[in-house]
Amino acid sequence: GNSVTQMEGPVTLSEEAFLTINCTYTATGYPSLFWYVQYPGEGLQLLLKATKADDKGSNKGFEATYRKETTSFHLEKGSVQVSDSAVYFCALLLRDSNYQLIWGAGTKLIIKP
Amino acid sequence: ETGVTQTPRHLVMGMTNKKSLKCEQHLGHNAMYWYKQSAKKPLELMFVYSLEERVENNSVPSRFSPECPNSSHLFLHLHTLQPEDSALYLCASSQEVGINYGYTFGSGTRLTVV
Repeated sequence: GNSVTQMEGPVTLSEEAFLTINCTYTATGYPSLFWYVQYPGEGLQLLLKATKADDKGSNKGFEATYRKETTSFHLEKGSVQVSDSAVYFCALLLRDSNYQLIWGAGTKLIIKP
Repeated sequence: ETGVTQTPRHLVMGMTNKKSLKCEQHLGHNAMYWYKQSAKKPLELMFVYSLEERVENNSVPSRFSPECPNSSHLFLHLHTLQPEDSALYLCASSQEVGINYGYTFGSGTRLTVV
C-alpha cells in the first residue's frame, strides 16, 4: 500500500548544526511530495513541496529533493536555529487521489542554544 | 494569523455531552477538511468538502457529524464520544480539491473526553 516513513524523533541538535530528517515513501505512480511543519500550539504549515522527480523544494533555508530512484524526500537545512524547533511531517499526494494526503508520523526536532 | 480559524482552542467534554467544533476560512478556498491528530500517529483524514458537498468520509464513526453550510465554514458536531476520541482536531482548506494544492491548516481544537 501507499505509505510514508519518517525517522523517529525526537531529533536533538545544537544551534547551527546541520539537519537531515529522512523521509521515504511507497506509492503507485508519481506522487507529489510535501513537508509540513507544526510549531508548538499551532496548526500545520506547508514548508515546501516537489511535484516531480528531481524537483527541489526550498523555503526558509530548508531544502528537499524528490529522489525517485531511492523513493526519498529528505529534509535538510545547513544551520538550524532554536526557532526551528517543531514537528516536521512528510506527506505524499497520489495523482489518482485528489485529496488523500498520505502522512508520515512526524519527527519532533529540538534545537538547543 | 494562518487564514483558517478554529474555535474553541481547547474543549473538555463528558461522554454524554454534545458539542461542536467550528472552522472558518476567508481565503476564498473551495475545499475544506477535518483531520484528527493523535499522539505518535499519522494524521487521519476524516472528512472532505468541496463547494459545500461532502466528497469523502473515511469510515468515521457516526458520533462525528460534519456540516458545511457554505464554503467558508465547516463544523464538526460531536456526541457520545469515547475517551479514545481525545485528540487534536485540525481543520484545513485548499483552493480546490486537486493535486498539488497546498493546504492551509488551522491551529486545531485540543479535545479531551472525560
